[in-house]
Amino acid sequence: QSVLTQPPSASGTPGQRVTISCSGNTSNIGSNYVNWFQQLPGTAPKLLIYGDNQRPSGVPDRFSGSRSGTSASQSGTSASLAISGLQSEDEAAYYCAAWDDSLKGVVFGGGTKLTVL
Amino acid sequence: QVQLQESGPGLVKPSETLSLTCTVSGGSISSYYWSWIRQSPGKGLEWLGYIYYNGNTNYNPSLASRVSISVDTSKKQFSLQLSSVTAADTAVYYCATGEQRWLHRFWGQGTLVTVS
Repeated sequence: QSVLTQPPSASGTPGQRVTISCSGNTSNIGSNYVNWFQQLPGTAPKLLIYGDNQRPSGVPDRFSGSRSGTSASQSGTSASLAISGLQSEDEAAYYCAAWDDSLKGVVFGGGTKLTVL
Repeated sequence: QVQLQESGPGLVKPSETLSLTCTVSGGSISSYYWSWIRQSPGKGLEWLGYIYYNGNTNYNPSLASRVSISVDTSKKQFSLQLSSVTAADTAVYYCATGEQRWLHRFWGQGTLVTVS
């Protein structure tokens, strides 16, 4: 049972925009930055988004992140990863992560397997 | 660009101690937070703990009684020890690093450790 909650699966067709949610509580997402990782089959996770919405060098701007508090429609303890212009090479597992003040450590979501139809 | 490489036995017997080393290249070990993360077969990611270059450590509370992370700055290596292992500790173990304790910017390729 992961501390952060993600949907186990998501899907989209090439060119579509897909969002993946990550839900936590006031000890983690509610008060700390969120990071997102992409894990292609058989490889190590790769940092995709850090500090809620920053992209490391080399990550396409098709990937974007947000944390609740920036949109009136979102609760105070959730984050989202958006992928626009979906491509076949985006098929991977995506994980969210954040520092947890109560556990005093990093917590991860259970991962979302993205399928490009 | 920091590069990380895990090394250590791929098979450990139950009740024994799992020991892995991560070798750092392309950057200084005298900065950053140096972490261990594992992934059980077909499962998600689990943070094990980190060591700061000055020796300060922080461990996952659920594993704190069994986990130890150390650093050897002269060899540019940091190590993980996990004691009293069981089959539940079978996983791919990754070393990772970043400028903040919550940031894992660079990762090793991972090494599979089987407890049997």
